[in-house]
Amino acid sequence: NAGVTQTPKFQVLKTGQSMTLQCAQDMNHEYMSWYRQDPGMGLRLIHYSVGAGITDQGEVPNGYNVSRSTTEDFPLRLLSAAPSQTSVYFCASSLNPSSGYEQFFGPGTRLTVL
Amino acid sequence: GENVEQHPSTLSVQEGDSAVIKCTYSDSASNYFPWYKQELGKRPQLIIDIRSNVGEKKDQRIAVTLNKTAKHFSLHITETQPEDSAVYFCAAKVDDKIIFGKGTRLHILP
Repeated sequence: NAGVTQTPKFQVLKTGQSMTLQCAQDMNHEYMSWYRQDPGMGLRLIHYSVGAGITDQGEVPNGYNVSRSTTEDFPLRLLSAAPSQTSVYFCASSLNPSSGYEQFFGPGTRLTVL
Repeated sequence: GENVEQHPSTLSVQEGDSAVIKCTYSDSASNYFPWYKQELGKRPQLIIDIRSNVGEKKDQRIAVTLNKTAKHFSLHITETQPEDSAVYFCAAKVDDKIIFGKGTRLHILP
């Protein structure tokens, strides 16, 4: 099993550009989530999904969109990048929240917005 | 809204001594409390977790205690070793969300 994979590893964008951060898992996990990590701010939840076709907002959803068309994939879209979105982004997955909770994290994507 | 406070933000302990990290949460409905360790440049990884029907859980040198009445939980690391140097995050599950504290950077001094 590859576990949770993320692409790209690094990305530099200009203000106003759009891009999609990819996340995939091969563990048949129902639950997937996106976090951003900034120095001194911990891990802040952006969006999450409890299953295919279902998404919901986390603590800091503004400026980000998500969709969950399959169990395996959970892409994060930045429609118009801003310097405040410079961060390290982690995707995570876990079994159905009702039956198992450990979240497995991907390796992260380091995004810089100029 | 949901809130998880974590203290201290930085902790330095002598190798072999114990380290304690404390967290509080705001939502009394929280029922699951994991702890993650993140080494420099790596992804967070679960080290221990506790559910709300248990007051304490131990795994070798690591233990977690939970006080539901006071809404706080703590991580205890005994006999610290150099490889314990990392950032530690507490978290609380609220509905379907896992909300993290801001982290504690633990330094193990030789």
